[in-house]
Amino acid sequence: KQEVTQIPAALSVPEGENLVLNCSFTDSAIYNLQWFRQDPGKGLTSLLLIQSSQREQTSGRLNASLDKSSGRSTLYIAASQPGDSATYLCAAKPLMDSSYKLIFGSGTRLLVRP
Amino acid sequence: NAGVMQNPRHLVRRRGQEARLRCSPMKGHSHVYWYRQLPEEGLKFMVYLQKENIIDESGMPKERFSAEFPKEGPSILRIQQVVRGDSAAYFCASSPGGGGQGAYEQYFGPGTRLTVT
Repeated sequence: KQEVTQIPAALSVPEGENLVLNCSFTDSAIYNLQWFRQDPGKGLTSLLLIQSSQREQTSGRLNASLDKSSGRSTLYIAASQPGDSATYLCAAKPLMDSSYKLIFGSGTRLLVRP
Repeated sequence: NAGVMQNPRHLVRRRGQEARLRCSPMKGHSHVYWYRQLPEEGLKFMVYLQKENIIDESGMPKERFSAEFPKEGPSILRIQQVVRGDSAAYFCASSPGGGGQGAYEQYFGPGTRLTVT
């Protein structure tokens, strides 16, 4: 059974810092790994999706990596800004699952201080 | 192309009442997923439906919860005799289906926040 864990649960950094959010999954048989952003009381915004055959994806100041063999993904945020403050969720889509449902971690709550 | 729509956005029910949550998938999407998010937790899968069929309901509580996705109209998540523990945000996602890359990529709605008093 796939389980997804995110560390740390919360993170507070000063503006301008580069930071890394971690995501680990127990079963390497995944279809893809996706990172989302969730603002308080809001829905989910997809940030980056990494297919199982890929090692990383980049979008602006965001870079996500995937290492299936170690069951890990990281989200790197460069030059953080107060507007980056949100909860970041990672989700794995199990490979041998006909419903293609997403298995989510509990999230990392990020606060970027001005 | 409008995104996934959910209504109501906020719903307050007293214990014992029924809650009906609606989800309209993106245009052209025939697959719907429901997830529940308890406070300070990630989203947990509940059910996956295609038009008129429940494909995977492994995450649905055994009692009081049901879901449907009729041929016409939105998908409905129905919770009977609500209890305080049902208070959560309920998210719907849709995907196009049909095979090929992107067929199962999920697009999320804004969620319905259910409060049981």
